Amino acid sequence: QVQLQESGPGLVKPSETLSLTCTVSGGSISSYYWSWMRQPPGKGLEWIGFTSNSVSTTYNPSFKSRVTISVDTSKNQFSLKLSSVTAADTAVYYCAGTDLWLSFYYWGQGTLVTVSS
Amino acid sequence: EIVMTQSPATLSVSPGERATLSCRASQRINNNLAWYQQKPGQAPRLLIYGTSTRATGIPARFSGSESGTDFTLTISSLQSEDFAVYYCQQYNTWPLAFGGGTKVEIK
Repeated sequence: QVQLQESGPGLVKPSETLSLTCTVSGGSISSYYWSWMRQPPGKGLEWIGFTSNSVSTTYNPSFKSRVTISVDTSKNQFSLKLSSVTAADTAVYYCAGTDLWLSFYYWGQGTLVTVSS
Repeated sequence: EIVMTQSPATLSVSPGERATLSCRASQRINNNLAWYQQKPGQAPRLLIYGTSTRATGIPARFSGSESGTDFTLTISSLQSEDFAVYYCQQYNTWPLAFGGGTKVEIK
């Protein structure tokens, strides 16, 4: 059974870069499709970006050029970097994966990232 | 960019009754639609993909259907564990997009 676990700082200062890592266990990262989503407190879900073993990456244009997703196959991890954060980036961030082409079956528990000085 | 609109925002239903949740896409998405259930403090759980295929382990009381750009999630007989927020998501076109959610609450 594939399991995902997000890790990274829970507090980031405005204008800095948010960095999160998702560790995959129970399966090879090369065998699935991966995404990052986020959910501001009390609000709905927002898709951030997608990767398939770093061969293919696609980002939500609403993040413009602030987002980068990468994969480290040696560690069975994939990562999110979001630059120039503001308070509006405060949210629970989820990593998710699937072998069902973009309908996400596996989810991490989510990690709250607060942007504040 | 495809916009997904869910209605109603809140649905009050008694246990044992049927619940019908709607999701409308701003353009055709070729049945590339998923439904998720989310309970407080938990990650979303995939219920349905491909408009009508139940994910592994999902009870048969959950079903999905479509009519053009209108999609429906039906819960045939609500159980206590079904009271949650439900999201639809299109994956036909980048960027992927979620609806705003429907909260199913106890009447």
